[in-house]
Amino acid sequence: DVKVTQSSRYLVKRTGEKVFLECVQDMDHENMFWYRQDPGLGLRLIYFSYDVKMKEKGDIPEGYSVSREKKERFSLILESASTNQTSMYLCASSSQVGEWGNQPQHFGDGTRLSIL
Amino acid sequence: QKEVEQNSGPLSVPEGAIASLNCTYSDRGSQSFFWYRQYSGKSPELIMSIYSNGDKEDGRFTAQLNKASQYVSLLIRDSQPSDSATYLCAVFLSGGYQKVTFGTGTKLQVIP
Repeated sequence: DVKVTQSSRYLVKRTGEKVFLECVQDMDHENMFWYRQDPGLGLRLIYFSYDVKMKEKGDIPEGYSVSREKKERFSLILESASTNQTSMYLCASSSQVGEWGNQPQHFGDGTRLSIL
Repeated sequence: QKEVEQNSGPLSVPEGAIASLNCTYSDRGSQSFFWYRQYSGKSPELIMSIYSNGDKEDGRFTAQLNKASQYVSLLIRDSQPSDSATYLCAVFLSGGYQKVTFGTGTKLQVIP
């Protein structure tokens, strides 16, 4: 079974803090993704990575950055946290066997982040 | 027009009935389609993948794909209260920027 592990289930931070969310997958997947999920807005892609040290902006990258130094680990960084970044953050991974996008994404348990 | 559209629901069905969940998408070139189940407060869990026109069955779940009409559906037979969740449709859109796009989900309530 695919295992995607996010470092924290719940996190409370203050505005202006630099926040790190960590994600590790154990299936040697090439692709990793960060989403946020808000009521009524669904899942929105923040950033994704298809290889070590590679990253691509998603739909809502503003205020976020990412790091992928090792294949199994993908970190999301909130440079200066703001209250509008309070949300559920979901990490996912997928393999790159066959055509890009043909393989389903597998999700971690999520991190519910509150910015006060 | 949204790229992937789902009726938000809630869709209420009695226990034992068939629940039918629908999803339409805008990109005619889309090739890969996924259904996820998400319980409240939990992360999405993959139920089915479908890539070709027609039906694909897995236990009580059947995914149906019609590329000409640009819709994909999920049927749940013999619905159980434990099926109560939000169901997300995800579509791999083929245009330039290659990514999976998720619908906002349909909330299903199975009434005992």
